[in-house]
Amino acid sequence: SQTIHQWPATLVQPVGSPLSLECTVEGTSNPNLYWYRQAAGRGLQLLFYSVGIGQISSEVPQNLSASRPQDRQFILSSKKLLLSDSGFYLCAWSPQGAGEKLFFGSGTQLSVL
Amino acid sequence: SQQGEEDPQALSIQEGENATMNCSYKTSINNLQWYRQNSGRGLVHLILIRSNEREKHSGRLRVTLDTSKKSSSLLITASRAADTASYFCATDRRAGNNRKLIWGLGTSLAVNP
Repeated sequence: SQTIHQWPATLVQPVGSPLSLECTVEGTSNPNLYWYRQAAGRGLQLLFYSVGIGQISSEVPQNLSASRPQDRQFILSSKKLLLSDSGFYLCAWSPQGAGEKLFFGSGTQLSVL
Repeated sequence: SQQGEEDPQALSIQEGENATMNCSYKTSINNLQWYRQNSGRGLVHLILIRSNEREKHSGRLRVTLDTSKKSSSLLITASRAADTASYFCATDRRAGNNRKLIWGLGTSLAVNP
């Protein structure tokens, strides 16, 4: 069966520090991968999605970047965090081609202070 | 902009009662999905209903879709305290080769024991 791992669960970082959030998927090949951000009490904002290794589409211009160095690994990064980067970050995957329902990781609560 | 809009924003009911949440959208869709999110956790897929379907059931969940009114409803029957969560609708709208879900802001459901 397929599983998705996202870590860490919580992170407190100072303004200006770098960020690296990692997400890995097991039990499937060539998944579509997604990074979402959810502000408190709000819906989901798609940040990045990837249909293959090295293929990243950015949805919102921002202080963040994403990389997919391996088929089932998706990394969200920042060189210098801003206060506005605080939020709940969710990684998700969907089967290639069909791209219908999403399977989410457990999320990372990022607080930038 | 968010295509899906759920109402009500918040709903509080007693255990055993039914809960109905609604979702409206603006443009044509391929399918509409409902997800559940427990506080501080990732989202879990509940039901997907395609544009050519009118009703779907899964256990205590019943989803309807009215494409003429561009709306969907999620009914949870015989609610339990464990149903307390936020519920989101997401519309799948093909745009070229991209297939992205458009998310609503969610309905927060509280089921009181």
